[in-house]
Amino acid sequence: ETGVTQSPTHLIKTRGQQVTLRCSSQSGHNTVSWYQQALGQGPQFIFQYYREEENGRGNFPPRFSGLQFPNYSSELNVNALELDDSALYLCASSLRLAGGRSTDTQYFGPGTRLTVL
Amino acid sequence: AQSVTQLGSHVSVSEGALVLLRCNYSSSVPPYLFWYVQYPNQGLQLLLKYTSAATLVKGINGFEAEFKKSETSFHLTKPSAHMSDAAEYFCAVNSGGYQKVTFGTGTKLQVIP
Repeated sequence: ETGVTQSPTHLIKTRGQQVTLRCSSQSGHNTVSWYQQALGQGPQFIFQYYREEENGRGNFPPRFSGLQFPNYSSELNVNALELDDSALYLCASSLRLAGGRSTDTQYFGPGTRLTVL
Repeated sequence: AQSVTQLGSHVSVSEGALVLLRCNYSSSVPPYLFWYVQYPNQGLQLLLKYTSAATLVKGINGFEAEFKKSETSFHLTKPSAHMSDAAEYFCAVNSGGYQKVTFGTGTKLQVIP
């Protein structure tokens, strides 16, 4: 069973640039969630993708967008980067069962450390 | 709406002493509750989860947590701290229709030899 992987590990960008982060979900999982973890804080929910559609969004502006692919992998895109976007970005995969709420856990990848200068 | 409050951003214990990390939650529906651990420069690892079965939940590495509805608490304990337990611990709640998980601000555990 393959765990959640993320790429790249580290990334340095400048203000105004755009960035794409990638996540491969754990084998058998159909749902991907993205979180932003600023230094010294808990992870904050950005959005979740299920069956290639956004399925819930936290308090993040539209310049944060995402995609989920048929193989359930996912991308997080951030446009017009700001200094405050510097953070660890975590991807979590899980299995959502048909019929609604799932008890399955979200399994996290190691994260991508983004630094905006 | 759901939220989590972790009391104490830093906790220090001696090696071999009891570990107690506090978590209180707020949820409009019966919640699912989680404890995760994060080592420096790493992602989150699940320690244990509560999903409305037994109120005392046992996890990995000797940790356990007890769900107390009357106190809206889900405190994490370990009878005897080990040096390798030094890390940051996050309590989290999921009570949404989708799997949105809300995390607390974390508690850094220091283990003193």
